[in-house]
Amino acid sequence: DGGITQSPKYLFRKEGQNVTLSCEQNLNHDAMYWYRQDPGQGLRLIYYSQIVNDFQKGDIAEGYSVSREKKESFPLTVTSAQKNPTAFYLCASTKTSGGYNEQFFGPGTRLTVL
Amino acid sequence: QKEVEQNSGPLSVPEGAIASLNCTYSDRGSQSFFWYRQYSGKSPELIMSIYSNGDKEDGRFTAQLNKASQYVSLLIRDSQPSDSATYLCAVPGDSGAGSYQLTFGKGTKLSVIP
Repeated sequence: DGGITQSPKYLFRKEGQNVTLSCEQNLNHDAMYWYRQDPGQGLRLIYYSQIVNDFQKGDIAEGYSVSREKKESFPLTVTSAQKNPTAFYLCASTKTSGGYNEQFFGPGTRLTVL
Repeated sequence: QKEVEQNSGPLSVPEGAIASLNCTYSDRGSQSFFWYRQYSGKSPELIMSIYSNGDKEDGRFTAQLNKASQYVSLLIRDSQPSDSATYLCAVPGDSGAGSYQLTFGKGTKLSVIP
């Protein structure tokens, strides 16, 4: 089945640790995105990538880093510089041909700082 | 920066009634519009896309687009308790490098009362 997978589902981080969230898609989508969602809040864009080996900062990139070495994979690292990382992290992808912008989401990773 | 506004709710409707969810957007140039459903603790799921003025129906869901007034709405007929969720409206981001981004509203929480 085609889709987007994220792992782990739950992640706990100690103060000062870097952690990496995995996102993989087998939809052959070109563009991938990372969002952060806080309780009762909308989705805020962290980083996005439209092609391999290229990515752009979103609205709240500080304290986060990404890589895009393969079309299928777009991991997100939450660094110790991110002061309030507890949130629900969502990865999404979209085709960039055909003129449509439909984004599809993975199941998410819930990160908690201990 | 595009803005997408939604009434946060909660919107409560009795089972079997029509639920009406509204969304306004700031950019007259927006060409495509999306509705996502997000159950509590889950990731958003795309339920409707609409690209031209008028109505688009899919089962119990109808999306209505009025570009002149810059609003898009989602009607849910014969509402069921399983429709209880937060509904997110999304429009494309700015053209150019970010043309495949989406800007999301904060969502309207719908509660269908049995």
